[in-house]
Amino acid sequence: DSGVTQTPKHLITATGQRVTLRCSPRSGDLSVYWYQQSLDQGLQFLIQYYNGEERAKGNILERFSAQQFPDLHSELNLSSLELGDSALYFCASSVGEGQGTYEQYFGPGTRLTVT
Amino acid sequence: GNSVTQMEGPVTLSEEAFLTINCTYTATGYPSLFWYVQYPGEGLQLLLKATKADDKGSNKGFEATYRKETTSFHLEKGSVQVSDSAVYFCALRGPNAGKSTFGDGTTLTVKP
Repeated sequence: DSGVTQTPKHLITATGQRVTLRCSPRSGDLSVYWYQQSLDQGLQFLIQYYNGEERAKGNILERFSAQQFPDLHSELNLSSLELGDSALYFCASSVGEGQGTYEQYFGPGTRLTVT
Repeated sequence: GNSVTQMEGPVTLSEEAFLTINCTYTATGYPSLFWYVQYPGEGLQLLLKATKADDKGSNKGFEATYRKETTSFHLEKGSVQVSDSAVYFCALRGPNAGKSTFGDGTTLTVKP
């Protein structure tokens, strides 16, 4: 158990809908990262927050947004869903902001299926 | 930008065979290097890491050495078990970058 929790575990929804994925980082970790794992794109970095502020953006679509709350949990919002958004979405946390030596701890993921 | 290239899979071995999964990288500066393992239906678990050249990361019988001259971080295990069957990901993080860049993953199946 990494200490990172994600809910829900599975999500099935229809095209055009909007969903919210939730992540709680490990106790003491200030950084939260979101990744998307799909068959054709592999593991792609989406976005990072540190202590409530956005720190880095990767290949995140404009239809997607995220935020980190004062209690440090984070939410990833996906809207106008398309079939291609079906993927496993991982959240990870680390104690530091940008130091590459710190470990990232991954949650179990949320499997999103868009029908 | 940073990139990681992993040996293509899938890899199928018999129990007690020797395992090598190749990983090479391209990065600016001196990244930290990681191997993660993903068991079926689960998230990523950190297997081992190395943060500077010539460092050797090791865990559960797996080893990988950070080779700056060849920009490689190959994963090895002397004797694999059925329970090692999983997907293995090589990853790097830049010295001042929080995000990880992953390889495509290598699926390992170990048969009894």
